Amino acid sequence: ETGVTQSPTHLIKTRGQQVTLRCSSQSGHNTVSWYQQALGQGPQFIFQYYREEENGRGNFPPRFSGLQFPNYSSELNVNALELDDSALYLCASSPPEGANYGYTFGSGTRLTVV
Amino acid sequence: AQSVTQLDSQVPVFEEAPVELRCNYSSSVSVYLFWYVQYPNQGLQLLLKYLSGSTLVKGINGFEAEFNKSQTSFHLRKPSVHISDTAEYFCAVRRADNTNAGKSTFGDGTTLTVKP
Repeated sequence: ETGVTQSPTHLIKTRGQQVTLRCSSQSGHNTVSWYQQALGQGPQFIFQYYREEENGRGNFPPRFSGLQFPNYSSELNVNALELDDSALYLCASSPPEGANYGYTFGSGTRLTVV
Repeated sequence: AQSVTQLDSQVPVFEEAPVELRCNYSSSVSVYLFWYVQYPNQGLQLLLKYLSGSTLVKGINGFEAEFNKSQTSFHLRKPSVHISDTAEYFCAVRRADNTNAGKSTFGDGTTLTVKP
């Protein structure tokens, strides 16, 4: 079975720009969560998508938004980029039985905002 | 709200020695507990989880953890470490009542360095 794949692996953007990160969930997983991991810190929950609807959100401003598609892949969009948005963005998928079974994480997208 | 404190930011240990990585949590509701490992330039991999039942849980790569409800701790242990265990380890909690579905709260990580 394939794991979680994220693209691109690295990205450099200028402050004020917009960015879209992409994630393909593991086969059989219908739930996708996004996390932001700043350098030297643990991942911070951004939001989760299930059946194409956002069903959980962390303490991130509305300029962080997402989509989930019928094939369960997902996008994370960030508008008006700020320097503090520089981080590793992790996508995680979980099976229909729920995140109780633990996430499967992708390798992440390293975003640098200059 | 939940919070997780990993008591040691860095743990150096010699190869074949035992190791314990400490994790305390705070929550007003029942939680599920997880340990993840992150190797350089990779995502997180689930090591083990506690949902209910036996408080001693065994995971992959010879790791185990013990849930202590009275001390609100979930420490990770391995009796004999290898060089390949060098990585960042994260403890995480998640509400057991599925409120704010999907949100796991992570600690800031412990860097385990195994020396020859």
